[in-house]
Amino acid sequence: AQSVSQHNHHVILSEAASLELGCNYSYGGTVNLFWYVQYPGQHLQLLLKYFSGDPLVKGIKGFEAEFIKSKFSFNLRKPSVQWSDTAEYFCAVNAPKANFGNEKLTFGTGTRLTIIP
Amino acid sequence: GAVVSQHPSWVICKSGTSVKIECRSLDFQATTMFWYRQFPKQSLMLMATSNEGSKATYEQGVEKDKFLINHASLTLSTLTVTSAHPEDSSFYICSARGKYTEAFFGQGTRLTVV
Repeated sequence: AQSVSQHNHHVILSEAASLELGCNYSYGGTVNLFWYVQYPGQHLQLLLKYFSGDPLVKGIKGFEAEFIKSKFSFNLRKPSVQWSDTAEYFCAVNAPKANFGNEKLTFGTGTRLTIIP
Repeated sequence: GAVVSQHPSWVICKSGTSVKIECRSLDFQATTMFWYRQFPKQSLMLMATSNEGSKATYEQGVEKDKFLINHASLTLSTLTVTSAHPEDSSFYICSARGKYTEAFFGQGTRLTVV
């Protein structure tokens, strides 16, 4: 079964700092990769996803992530964070072949990001 | 993106009672719905997958008689926590996908059993 690791549990940054959140997964086959964000009191929102093609994926709100297959990683980056980026960030993986087409996701434990104005 | 609405947002119930949580897809037909549970400081864990008109498929370790899932229509799935106990207190989130769409998440339901 696949698993997802997010090693940073809580990250605190000042506004305008650069951000990189780590995500590693374990699965030997083809995977789809996702980053979700959950703002306080709100539902999970999709930031970006990787299915195939260019391993550098650009998402909403200035976020991007790079899929490095050899490292089983899909780290999330943003060059300059804002106070409004304060939220919980979840990395997730879906192995479509193993799930017979269902969108079952395996999530990491999440990283709480706090931006100090 | 598509809208998935979950109701209620939070609920407090007495131990031994049952609680029903609704998950609705507001602007698309949800052929498949997923129910997740999130314990404090832990990740979302998939509980079960339901396809419209079929019995739900439960993940290992999830009691199907305790967590009843109904997906009777293409826009509504319900999760009923039967005979709830304090250890069932958690954050429950549903997601729904259409035949050709990715999955979208509801706002979640905070269940507290006292």
